[in-house]
Amino acid sequence: GNSVTQMEGPVTLSEEAFLTINCTYTATGYPSLFWYVQYPGEGLQLLLKATKADDKGSNKGFEATYRKETTSFHLEKGSVQVSDSAVYFCAHHRSGAGSYQLTFGKGTKLSVIP
Amino acid sequence: EPEVTQTPSHQVTQMGQEVILRCVPISNHLYFYWYRQILGQKVEFLVSFYNNEISEKSEIFDDQFSVERPDGSNFTLKIRSTKLEDSAMYFCASSEPGKGETQYFGPGTRLLVL
Repeated sequence: GNSVTQMEGPVTLSEEAFLTINCTYTATGYPSLFWYVQYPGEGLQLLLKATKADDKGSNKGFEATYRKETTSFHLEKGSVQVSDSAVYFCAHHRSGAGSYQLTFGKGTKLSVIP
Repeated sequence: EPEVTQTPSHQVTQMGQEVILRCVPISNHLYFYWYRQILGQKVEFLVSFYNNEISEKSEIFDDQFSVERPDGSNFTLKIRSTKLEDSAMYFCASSEPGKGETQYFGPGTRLLVL
C-alpha cells in the first residue's frame, strides 16, 4: 500500500547545526513528494516538493532530493535557526487518475536552541 | 498572500452532538479537501470535493460525515453524531485546477468530544 515513514522525533539541535530528517515511502507508480512544515499554532505549510526522480526541491535553505532507487526524500538544511523550530511532515501524492489524496508521515518535531 | 481559513479554531462538544467545521478555501481554487490528525498520529485524508460532489473519500469518512459547499466561498465538514474518537485536529485544504497535488492547508480546527 501507500505509506510514508519518517524518523522519530523530537529532534533537538543547536543553532547552526546540520539537519537531516529521514523520510522513506512506499507507493505504486511515481508519486510526487512533499515536505510540509507546521509552526506552533499554525497550519501545514508547503515547504518544498519534487515531482520526479532525481528532482531536488528547495526552499528557505531546506533541500530534499527524490531518490527513487532508495524510495527516499530526506530533508536537509546546512545551518538551522531557532525560527526553524516546527513540526515537519513528509508526504506523497498518490499517483492515479483523479486521485489527489496526500499520504503523510507522522511528523518530526524539531527544536532548535540558541 | 491568499490563504485558507478555518473556523472555529477550537470546538468542544458533547458526544452525540452535531458539529460543523467551516473552511474558506483560496478563492480561485476548485478542489477542496479535509484531513484530520488525531493527537500523536499521522495526518489522514478524509475526503476530496470537486464540482459540487465528492471525488474521493477514505474509509474514515463514513455516514457520520458529510461535506458541503453551501455558497461560493465556504466549504464545510459536518459530523452528525460525534464520538469520542472524533477528537482530532481537522485541516481543510484547497488546490488550483490542474494542480491537485499541491494543496494549501488552513490552520486547523481542534475538536474535542467529551
